Amino acid sequence: GAVVSQHPSRVICKSGTSVKIECRSLDFQATTMFWYRQFPKQSLMLMATSNEGSKATYEQGVEKDKFLINHASLTLSTLTVTSAHPEDSSFYICSARPGLGETQYFGPGTRLLVL
Amino acid sequence: AQSVTQLDSQVPVFEEAPVELRCNYSSSVSVYLFWYVQYPNQGLQLLLKYLSGSTLVKGINGFEAEFNKSQTSFHLRKPSVHISDTAEYFCAVKRAAGNKLTFGGGTRVLVKP
Repeated sequence: GAVVSQHPSRVICKSGTSVKIECRSLDFQATTMFWYRQFPKQSLMLMATSNEGSKATYEQGVEKDKFLINHASLTLSTLTVTSAHPEDSSFYICSARPGLGETQYFGPGTRLLVL
Repeated sequence: AQSVTQLDSQVPVFEEAPVELRCNYSSSVSVYLFWYVQYPNQGLQLLLKYLSGSTLVKGINGFEAEFNKSQTSFHLRKPSVHISDTAEYFCAVKRAAGNKLTFGGGTRVLVKP
């Protein structure tokens, strides 16, 4: 149980294009989902917290207009990197938390490379 | 705000030897504690968690951790490691009343034959 999927697993795009990453909780309903960014050999940095049906809460320093988050249902959240640039290249990981639980369950990550 | 320190960035260990990964946290309020493992190019998998109750927590793959409130520590141990335990291990803390999970810097475990 508690499986979270992400799609795509890796994506290469040209500078200036937008990329959408999907995060799905497969066997539970997630009222809260989280988006993290991880640079090579570093820890995870929380980018934003999204609650189903409401606007995401972004961490300090994260541009909300660049990293658009939508949490339209209890099993799906999307992260769109708009007008991507090479410095946006990173490993993006989502997590989902069941309604009354304390544990976050993580997706397998999406590796983004912007050329 | 809470913070997490993993004292060892890398831990080399021989196969079948024991390993301990150290984690210390700071917080002015009650917290929940977690250990996650990350295999190369993958997401994080929950190893174990401490929410309340017994301070010795047993997790998957033979790992266990002990919550020590007086020392604000949550060290992870395994009595005998396998080659397949080679991975990055992250300690994380969450305020009991909050949403946000704060991660330590990670400890890279390399198991040698």
